[in-house]
Amino acid sequence: DAGVIQSPRHEVTEMGQEVTLRCKPISGHDYLFWYRQTMMRGLELLIYFNNNVPIDDSGMPEDRFSAKMPNASFSTLKIQPSEPRDSAVYFCASKKSGLRGGYTFGSGTRLTVV
Amino acid sequence: DAKTTQPNSMESNEEEPVHLPCNHSTISGTDYIHWYRQLPSQGPEYVIHGLTSNVNNRMASLAIAEDRKSSTLILHRATLRDAAVYYCILMELNSGYALNFGKGTSLLVTP
Repeated sequence: DAGVIQSPRHEVTEMGQEVTLRCKPISGHDYLFWYRQTMMRGLELLIYFNNNVPIDDSGMPEDRFSAKMPNASFSTLKIQPSEPRDSAVYFCASKKSGLRGGYTFGSGTRLTVV
Repeated sequence: DAKTTQPNSMESNEEEPVHLPCNHSTISGTDYIHWYRQLPSQGPEYVIHGLTSNVNNRMASLAIAEDRKSSTLILHRATLRDAAVYYCILMELNSGYALNFGKGTSLLVTP
């Protein structure tokens, strides 16, 4: 199993540009989570999906952020337009429903908006 | 949300046991206690979880107080590779497995 795969690993973009982060969860996992990590705020849960359906997006900071999960093997987090304060490491994680085991996190995407 | 309290940092010598404490005095009867760790420049990694009974796995042991208001993650023999931030998190059964990470404990392991 290749684990949770995120791309790109690093992204540098100019303020105002659209940014799309991608995630491939572990096959068979029916929950997918997007987190953002900064020094100031730590790890914040942005949104999570169950069986491709968004369940709770209360952590999404504002309308500039959107997330989709068109199928069980792919999810995107889009920021449009991007701002310097969006600079952070964005993690995707997946989990199989049930009380055994925990999340598996990807390696993250380090986003820098200049 | 039930919250957890952990020391900001701890230090341990290599090859010695490490006991990482966590207080969760407002835990409810159906909250699971989860532990994750995050090594430098990596995503968080699942360590262990439990409800009432003590738990062991290949990575660590979890000791849960009888009243469940506190728990301790035990690394039996710390290695340099165990230097990480350790997070104690309560998972509410009705939260859809969502985990809200706090600040965690930064563990330094010295040779």
